[in-house]
Amino acid sequence: SAVISQKPSRDICQRGTSLTIQCQVDSQVTMMFWYRQQPGQSLTLIATANQGSEATYESGFVIDKFPISRPNLTFSTLTVSNMSPEDSSIYLCSVGTGVDTEAFFGQGTRLTVV
Amino acid sequence: LAKTTQPISMDSYEGQEVNITCSHNNIATNDYITWYQQFPSQGPRFIIQGYKTKVTNEVASLFIPADRKSSTLSLPRVSLSDTAVYYCLVGVSSGNTPLVFGKGTRLSVIA
Repeated sequence: SAVISQKPSRDICQRGTSLTIQCQVDSQVTMMFWYRQQPGQSLTLIATANQGSEATYESGFVIDKFPISRPNLTFSTLTVSNMSPEDSSIYLCSVGTGVDTEAFFGQGTRLTVV
Repeated sequence: LAKTTQPISMDSYEGQEVNITCSHNNIATNDYITWYQQFPSQGPRFIIQGYKTKVTNEVASLFIPADRKSSTLSLPRVSLSDTAVYYCLVGVSSGNTPLVFGKGTRLSVIA
């Protein structure tokens, strides 16, 4: 299994600013994923982050808006840049251990842009 | 990845058995069926996974007919704490693969 700590748990930000979300895992994992969950909606994959390589972004998400770092096998950050109210969502990181069948999720970061 | 279809919402009384059916007509031979549960203000949590027939664990049972074009998650004797959104996913059996979530089923358990 894996335990994921996400920070911050929530934040209220001014439009035009940026927020960096941290995801810390209690074990080394190869794959880390970032998802967005808009209010009342399902989860949408933003990108896949592998250690030592550039993140792979899904259609509709770009690196300039959502830069991702993956400096080691236990940590990743997602930055939401130049925020607008439309970016108000819950952002979640997820990992696979390579051993367990399931994916493990952090508690999420609830972002409100005003 | 195979697309899934589930009821948008369901209501149940405490103590009842709840069955949530998921349709996945385009499931591939190598695909598994996995269910996740999400409580408000939390990330999704794995419930159960199966390939065919029946799988049971301490939380739920998963019934998969022979054609695998649908599946049913069964929650025995639900309680108020089972109120959550339940997602049916179809794909490779691995936490290392990105997940494609459908709309899920919002289950409300009432006393």
